[in-house]
Amino acid sequence: RKEVEQDPGPFNVPEGATVAFNCTYSNSASQSFFWYRQDCRKEPKLLMSVYSSGNEDGRFTAQLNRASQYISLLIRDSKLSDSATYLCVVNRWNSGNTPLVFGKGTRLSVIA
Amino acid sequence: DVKVTQSSRYLVKRTGEKVFLECVQDMDHENMFWYRQDPGLGLRLIYFSYDVKMKEKGDIPEGYSVSREKKERFSLILESASTNQTSMYLCASSSPRAEHNEQFFGPGTRLTVL
Repeated sequence: RKEVEQDPGPFNVPEGATVAFNCTYSNSASQSFFWYRQDCRKEPKLLMSVYSSGNEDGRFTAQLNRASQYISLLIRDSKLSDSATYLCVVNRWNSGNTPLVFGKGTRLSVIA
Repeated sequence: DVKVTQSSRYLVKRTGEKVFLECVQDMDHENMFWYRQDPGLGLRLIYFSYDVKMKEKGDIPEGYSVSREKKERFSLILESASTNQTSMYLCASSSPRAEHNEQFFGPGTRLTVL
């Protein structure tokens, strides 16, 4: 099983749609989880951390299922500006201060 | 805001040249990382450092070395550049004191080796 696995997409959705991305990770001892956003030819930027109880930031909701080793990101009311690649990120070992492992990303295109 | 800067946005070098990529962060972060990103392969960790003069190999260290003489600066060195090192190189930093240890990235250096 790959360390972090995501559907590469692309997901092509109309403006205003709700879209969900999923991600699985292999290390059951991982403790830190993130979603990053990467625009074309730019660096990755932190979108949100993912907390055990799930968390929301405006139109974005992240969920963690430790039993299934599964992370999700839900985007409501998609905007054209949401078009980007979304990277699922997990820490490598069971200590907080360890390298992160990045998924290869899921590409989202929001269409007018 | 955290600021991570990299010495060049674009760089063109010839096979066999020694190449230095510089990264500087201004947030007093202990941890610094070098990645390369290639289409279809995602981000791959080359080297990282948790402290001055300390370095650890990542997943693909072959053909690279690093230097961390000062806390704010982490350099990636290609001893003898080869065409398969043509890539986007990204530097990142983080703090173990942060709640979630998230990493902050520089803008990247797109290196072409001819």
